[in-house]
Amino acid sequence: NAGVTQTPKFQVLKTGQSMTLQCAQDMNHEYMSWYRQDPGMGLRLIHYSVGAGITDQGEVPNGYNVSRSTTEDFPLRLLSAAPSQTSVYFCASSPYQDEQFFGPGTRLTVL
Amino acid sequence: GENVEQHPSTLSVQEGDSAVIKCTYSDSASNYFPWYKQELGKRPQLIIDIRSNVGEKKDQRIAVTLNKTAKHFSLHITETQPEDSAVYFCAATLGNQFYFGTGTSLTVIP
Repeated sequence: NAGVTQTPKFQVLKTGQSMTLQCAQDMNHEYMSWYRQDPGMGLRLIHYSVGAGITDQGEVPNGYNVSRSTTEDFPLRLLSAAPSQTSVYFCASSPYQDEQFFGPGTRLTVL
Repeated sequence: GENVEQHPSTLSVQEGDSAVIKCTYSDSASNYFPWYKQELGKRPQLIIDIRSNVGEKKDQRIAVTLNKTAKHFSLHITETQPEDSAVYFCAATLGNQFYFGTGTSLTVIP
């Protein structure tokens, strides 16, 4: 049981580049979410999904896209990276309104 | 949406003393309140949670209290140990969304 996995662990992008952060879980959780963590600002919700084919925006969705074609996978796409998107990104999964299990995080730097 | 405020932002205690972290929330419809511990460079991990139909929950040295009327909840850590040093986050769940506080950096001084 791998839990929640994320790739890559580290990434450096140039302004304007696009990329996809991968997230997968093997716990058959319906709920998955993406957060960004910035110093002094806690964890802010970017997008979330309550099941395959269903996604919705969180608190800070601009500049990011998501899709959920399977229960297991929930990739996050940065369309045109900006320095303001430099952050640590965490994926999480859970049953509805229950313990969230976080992935190990992706540290992204945009130059 | 929901607004969660967390205090203090930093907390230093002597080993063996108690630590208390407080959070307030704005929407009375929030009904699930987890607490996460995050060690440096690691992922957040759940340490305790409470639902809106319960006023207090305890797990060994850790306890959480919830006051629905005042819309605040608190984390209590007794007999603190150096390994309790970490950042602690509270959260409130409203519908499908989790709203996190800004974190408390706890340092336990041996």
